[in-house]
Amino acid sequence: DGGITQSPKYLFRKEGQNVTLSCEQNLNHDAMYWYRQDPGQGLRLIYYSQIVNDFQKGDIAEGYSVSREKKESFPLTVTSAQKNPTAFYLCASSIGGLAAHTGELFFGEGSRLTVL
Amino acid sequence: GENVEQHPSTLSVQEGDSAVIKCTYSDSASNYFPWYKQELGKRPQLIIDIRSNVGEKKDQRIAVTLNKTAKHFSLHITETQPEDSAVYFCAAKDSNYQLIWGAGTKLIIKP
Repeated sequence: DGGITQSPKYLFRKEGQNVTLSCEQNLNHDAMYWYRQDPGQGLRLIYYSQIVNDFQKGDIAEGYSVSREKKESFPLTVTSAQKNPTAFYLCASSIGGLAAHTGELFFGEGSRLTVL
Repeated sequence: GENVEQHPSTLSVQEGDSAVIKCTYSDSASNYFPWYKQELGKRPQLIIDIRSNVGEKKDQRIAVTLNKTAKHFSLHITETQPEDSAVYFCAAKDSNYQLIWGAGTKLIIKP
């Protein structure tokens, strides 16, 4: 079954702890993205990667880090430097990069992070 | 940079009636405008999109219109059904190829 898998679905963290959210895709897509979704706001881009071993900051990258060692995987680490990490995090992928003619994003089911 | 505003934030319509959601954008170079639907507890999914060289696009009960001069685009859903209840997001791809998202519209279909 092709798609994007995010884990865990729910995660609780104490203040001061780092936490890593997993995102795996078997769609053979080149580009992957991490978005943050807060109530009453649109999706905001945290990081994106268009090819392996390369990634770029989005609008709200502070306090987050990523890696792209494999095409299939794009984990997101929420560090203790992120001041307000409680949110719903969505991973996505697309066939081409940002400038691709077809811009459809395929999303995972999301990870809800709560900081206690 | 690009700014996308979406209205209304909540829309309640009677089953069978039409629903219209509107978005405005600021970057005149934006050339791609998708609409995503997110059902409760599920992932967003693309339902329709339009490119800047087209004024209208239809797919069964949904349609999107684009007015480049006024810099706004709208989602139209006709003959609404209970399964249309969801949050709908518009977006615009700006001159830096970034997708900028609206804040979302919660559509409620009343039986």
